[in-house]
Amino acid sequence: EVHLVESGGDLVQPGGSLRLSCAASGFTFTDYWMDWVRQAPGKGLEWLANINQDGSEMFYVDSVKGRFTVSRDSAKSSVYLQMNSLRPEDTAVYYCVRGLLDGDCFWGHGTLVTVSS
Amino acid sequence: QSVLTQPPSASGTPGQRVTISCSGSSSNIGRKTVNWYQQIPGTAPKVLLYSDYQRPSGVPDRFSGSKSGTSASLTISGLLSEDEADYYCAAWDDSLSAIVFGAGTKVTVL
Repeated sequence: EVHLVESGGDLVQPGGSLRLSCAASGFTFTDYWMDWVRQAPGKGLEWLANINQDGSEMFYVDSVKGRFTVSRDSAKSSVYLQMNSLRPEDTAVYYCVRGLLDGDCFWGHGTLVTVSS
Repeated sequence: QSVLTQPPSASGTPGQRVTISCSGSSSNIGRKTVNWYQQIPGTAPKVLLYSDYQRPSGVPDRFSGSKSGTSASLTISGLLSEDEADYYCAAWDDSLSAIVFGAGTKVTVL
């Protein structure tokens, strides 16, 4: 059974940093692109970044370029999102997604990040 | 302002057909396939359709998709109360080198 378990969400002050982790199981991790998507309270979905199967290619939405970094560790079947210079508008539930545009796309349950003083 | 444009809401009575549109441009829907996602309140989204009209296993055939030019649509035939949810379209955008979402459409079953 496929599982994606996000962790690392927390309350952080503006300007702070946070690293989100997503542990994958139940599938061959190295076969898939992995995506991060967020949803601010009461708002819609926003794609943030993705990384290819071997970690050699990444894409980002403009609003997080230079602040967020996606990475993956095939040995741990995990994908990460390092978030720096956090702003109140980064407050959201952050979802880890296997292959967002694939037919067998699979979403984690999300982890809450709150940026507030 | 989302790159993909969806109506904010749609509604119907049980058994009716509801269609949700998703309008884009030549850099996204016009040249790339569209996925649709369903999000029941309080839960994570799940994929409903991929590659414009393909249904993953387990998705009922009352959900169908189509695309023409720079617009795509999701149709729910035979609306059920359990279809009350938010629906999002998404596609890769070549100009932005990013995945773009519509703002979402809230479907209400009257």
